[in-house]
Amino acid sequence: SQQGEEDPQALSIQEGENATMNCSYKTSINNLQWYRQNSGRGLVHLILIRSNEREKHSGRLRVTLDTSKKSSSLLITASRAADTASYFCATATQGGSEKLVFGKGTKLTVNP
Amino acid sequence: GAGVSQSPSNKVTEKGKDVELRCDPISGHTALYWYRQRLGQGLEFLIYFQGNSAPDKSGLPSDRFSAERTGESVSTLTIQRTQQEDSAVYLCASARSGGSHDTQYFGPGTRLTVL
Repeated sequence: SQQGEEDPQALSIQEGENATMNCSYKTSINNLQWYRQNSGRGLVHLILIRSNEREKHSGRLRVTLDTSKKSSSLLITASRAADTASYFCATATQGGSEKLVFGKGTKLTVNP
Repeated sequence: GAGVSQSPSNKVTEKGKDVELRCDPISGHTALYWYRQRLGQGLEFLIYFQGNSAPDKSGLPSDRFSAERTGESVSTLTIQRTQQEDSAVYLCASARSGGSHDTQYFGPGTRLTVL
């Protein structure tokens, strides 16, 4: 079953603009992770935010986590054409096994 | 060092045939995961290996699916009597220890097409 649900499903922006993607989940979590996937193949880990953290930065990435609303957002600032990819959130459930539960992803297109 | 590798990168098979997919994790990683990704969808967890512990097979969709791992190295995912709905990209990931805060490193996947 899919725990995380990303929103929007697809996003198209111009280079230089910011891109915001949201993720909602249903159960209590240990952490939430964001991954990127190019061309439907291997995923690359971007950032992990723990359940006791509210915001985290990594380069042009900013992730927020609101456990009261069971939601997270990924902001990519000053987007580049190379940021074009699908972005997935994945949750590690409290009290569950170590497997991650992935959402269906947001397909981001950055137009040059 | 080398990342996670998977073979073959593409596999086309006929309905009813068996297929075997291979994953070579990053050396020293004790945790190994298999996922399936259907076209335009997210990843579905299939199975998780952690060291010598019994694997978590809770995501395997049917008894046609099985996986093995030799120690902390290579893993093979076998699909018997393939069906068209098995067509997907099969992704393998490894992690240093497999804890929930551990980063998973993904291979490039095997694209399986069942005709």
